[in-house]
Amino acid sequence: QVHLEGSGPGLVKPSETLSLTCTVSGGSISNSYWSWIRQSPGTGLEWIGYIYYTGTTKYNPALMSRVTISVDTSKNQFSLRLNSVTAGDTAVYYCAKGGSYYWDWGQGMQVTVSS
Amino acid sequence: EIVLTQSPATLSVSPGERVTLSCGASQTLSSSYLAWYQQKPGLAPRLLIYGASIRDTGIPDRFSGSGSGTDFALTISRLEPEDFAVYSCHQYERLPYTFGQGTKVEI
Repeated sequence: QVHLEGSGPGLVKPSETLSLTCTVSGGSISNSYWSWIRQSPGTGLEWIGYIYYTGTTKYNPALMSRVTISVDTSKNQFSLRLNSVTAGDTAVYYCAKGGSYYWDWGQGMQVTVSS
Repeated sequence: EIVLTQSPATLSVSPGERVTLSCGASQTLSSSYLAWYQQKPGLAPRLLIYGASIRDTGIPDRFSGSGSGTDFALTISRLEPEDFAVYSCHQYERLPYTFGQGTKVEI
């Protein structure tokens, strides 16, 4: 079981870019898939996308035009960038291990979009 | 996308009772790629079941998953006090992966 620690700003202004990083410890980021999921009271859990350690990605079509997930194997980290955010992107953001179902989750990061 | 509909939205029960939570899919999951998660307030979801019926490591055997096609269920044979939580189903058969809206199990 690996430990995932998310980090990033908790407040982002409308139209700006949300950037979060997940650091994996207790295991290698290699040879596995890694995902981002978010949760808001109004829409429940929403899959954002995943990345394989080689850099292959899949994204939710609803967010595809605005989202980028990247990986840095040298730092055992993967990251999320979401452009042009609105109030609708306010949510708790989770990083997780797995590309289908999710064994291990980060602690969750509350991100609020507000000016 | 595949819509997952969970019922009931809230279930009021007592410790020791047996409960069954339902999850219906808008399209057939031919490979039974369905998972169940438990979530307590302020915490991340915890994987209970994957492949519709396979318990994750360390999950007590009072939790069981069943179903195929479009109808799936999570059964807790005897509710323990720590089982009061929100339970969500999740399909990972077809992109975009989707989650149900959750069933809250409360006292």
